Amino acid sequence: DTGVSQDPRHKITKRGQNVTFRCDPISEHNRLYWYRQTLGQGPEFLTYFQNEAQLEKSRLLSDRFSAERPKGSFSTLEIQRTEQGDSAMYLCASSLVGIEAFFGQGTRLTVV
Amino acid sequence: GENVEQHPSTLSVQEGDSAVIKCTYSDSASNYFPWYKQELGKGPQLIIDIRSNVGEKKDQRIAVTLNKTAKHFSLHITETQPEDSAVYFCAGTGTSYGKLTFGQGTILTVHP
Repeated sequence: DTGVSQDPRHKITKRGQNVTFRCDPISEHNRLYWYRQTLGQGPEFLTYFQNEAQLEKSRLLSDRFSAERPKGSFSTLEIQRTEQGDSAMYLCASSLVGIEAFFGQGTRLTVV
Repeated sequence: GENVEQHPSTLSVQEGDSAVIKCTYSDSASNYFPWYKQELGKGPQLIIDIRSNVGEKKDQRIAVTLNKTAKHFSLHITETQPEDSAVYFCAGTGTSYGKLTFGQGTILTVHP
């Protein structure tokens, strides 16, 4: 399978714990995006990278959130001190600059 | 930033009928409009897209039209089948090509 891969698919964590998600984009894609989707809503943009550079961050991305793409390949999204409001599906997408974005299956986070 | 409105929120049709979903956008600089299909528990799947220099694009049973003057675009599905049942999202790029602003989604149900 050469699509966008996300790990884990599901994560249950206690409030206050830190969590980290991983995204492996389609191999030749230089752009990588993170979105968050809550139930019944469309995905909301969080941040994106071109190669290893983080080019834009949404105001939704509070200081508890950090994303990295250290070698311009896979990316990680970390949430520190999780809150119940962080419960959502976290989606990763990748694209070539100026071309269609393809999404992974997402990581569903539940904060209890 | 870009704002995308999508209607209707739910759409129920009989197998073989046509389905139309409409979206409006606010940013006249938007130049790329993809449509995604999302099935339960899965990530959004790109089904068709249109760029601002084109008024209509067709791919088998799916077509998209764009009216730049009125700032709206529509998805048309003909000869609907039960497997078309899913949530459909439209999106626009605003001034940041690749960063997508999504509509609220349309739950399409095709009854056999």
